[in-house]
Amino acid sequence: AQSVSQHNHHVILSEAASLELGCNYSYGGTVNLFWYVQYPGQHLQLLLKYFSGDPLVKGIKGFEAEFIKSKFSFNLRKPSVQWSDTAEYFCAVNARRSGGGADGLTFGKGTHLIIQP
Amino acid sequence: KAGVTQTPRYLIKTRGQQVTLSCSPISGHRSVSWYQQTPGQGLQFLFEYFSETQRNKGNFPGRFSGRQFSNSRSEMNVSTLELGDSALYLCASSLLGDEPQHFGDGTRLSIL
Repeated sequence: AQSVSQHNHHVILSEAASLELGCNYSYGGTVNLFWYVQYPGQHLQLLLKYFSGDPLVKGIKGFEAEFIKSKFSFNLRKPSVQWSDTAEYFCAVNARRSGGGADGLTFGKGTHLIIQP
Repeated sequence: KAGVTQTPRYLIKTRGQQVTLSCSPISGHRSVSWYQQTPGQGLQFLFEYFSETQRNKGNFPGRFSGRQFSNSRSEMNVSTLELGDSALYLCASSLLGDEPQHFGDGTRLSIL
């Protein structure tokens, strides 16, 4: 069975600090990788995704992530965080199905990020 | 265009009752998935419907069921409610099922 592990459950940073959130997954096949964000009072939104190709993917709001296949990792990064980045961040994985579509998303437990002004 | 719409937003039920939750996907999206979110277990996949057929299922008991209508709207039903079913139930839609999913605001179900 697939599993996703997020290393940090709570992270507190000051504005302008650099951010890296770890994500490791366990799955033997070809996977799609995602980072979702949930801002306070809002629904889950897609930050970025990796399906294939360049392992360094760029998402919205200055976020990027790097897929390292040998390490089964998909870490999220941002060079300089802002107060508005305070949110819950979820790493998720699924696998394409041969008959069409993909498996349901397997999520990590989430990282609660607080940015102090 | 309108996002994924879930109704109702909040529900309170008692043990043993049953409940039906509704989800309207983004227009044109044919795949609808359901997830349960709890503080202890996090986000867990329930099932996916595509073209009115359940195409994918997570590891939940048979008390959890769903269906999808010809207009892609979906309903989820939970029978014989247990205290542990208290959770936020999220619906997500995508065009064909292998693209990123768009999530609704969820229905918060509380069991007394």
